[in-house]
Amino acid sequence: DAKTTQPNSMESNEEEPVHLPCNHSTISGTDYIHWYRQLPSQGPEYVIHGLTSNVNNRMASLAIAEDRKSSTLILHRATLRDAAVYYCILRVNFGNEKLTFGTGTRLTIIP
Amino acid sequence: EAGVTQFPSHSVIEKGQTVTLRCDPISGHDNLYWYRRVMGKEIKFLLHFVKESKQDESGMPNNRFLAERTGGTYSTLKVQPAELEDSGVYFCASSLSGTGGHEQYFGPGTRLTVT
Repeated sequence: DAKTTQPNSMESNEEEPVHLPCNHSTISGTDYIHWYRQLPSQGPEYVIHGLTSNVNNRMASLAIAEDRKSSTLILHRATLRDAAVYYCILRVNFGNEKLTFGTGTRLTIIP
Repeated sequence: EAGVTQFPSHSVIEKGQTVTLRCDPISGHDNLYWYRRVMGKEIKFLLHFVKESKQDESGMPNNRFLAERTGGTYSTLKVQPAELEDSGVYFCASSLSGTGGHEQYFGPGTRLTVT
């Protein structure tokens, strides 16, 4: 699996947008970019995924660079409940393969 | 709709004992995965079932770990005999097959402590 690089930690003020970056310079053409998050004392939770185009869902937006070597997860209005570790993961094709977790970004929300 | 459930939520056993963890996936999900996070480490994949068949067991650490999914419904992960380094949180996840299977749904995990 191709590797991703994320900052270890980030802070954001409540009710402000948060941009979580991820670098994946060795991404291949068949790799999908997935984001999961893990809230304290819970299992990981799917957030969003994409291939080439930017994606939006009820939880977040995913902005993918034109060369696909980086992406940004955008939380439009952070709440205290968004405090979690966010993982950027590459998966070959659209299928059912395992997830390879890195260290992720620990997001702290400041009230 | 019920999510992925895991039992027990916590287990404390002594070194050398046997422990069996259970995972009930979301109904209709053919894919079932086991992951674990040991102390201070990243979440690591253990194995992947498609229905009752082991699709990928490349992450199983050694032969003290045995996973089963009889009938393609719930799964068990047995550790026998348990060692200190097996302590950690064991997560189960499930997903649909095909193009609907991009999202894995995780259970809350079983925290295993081996003393």
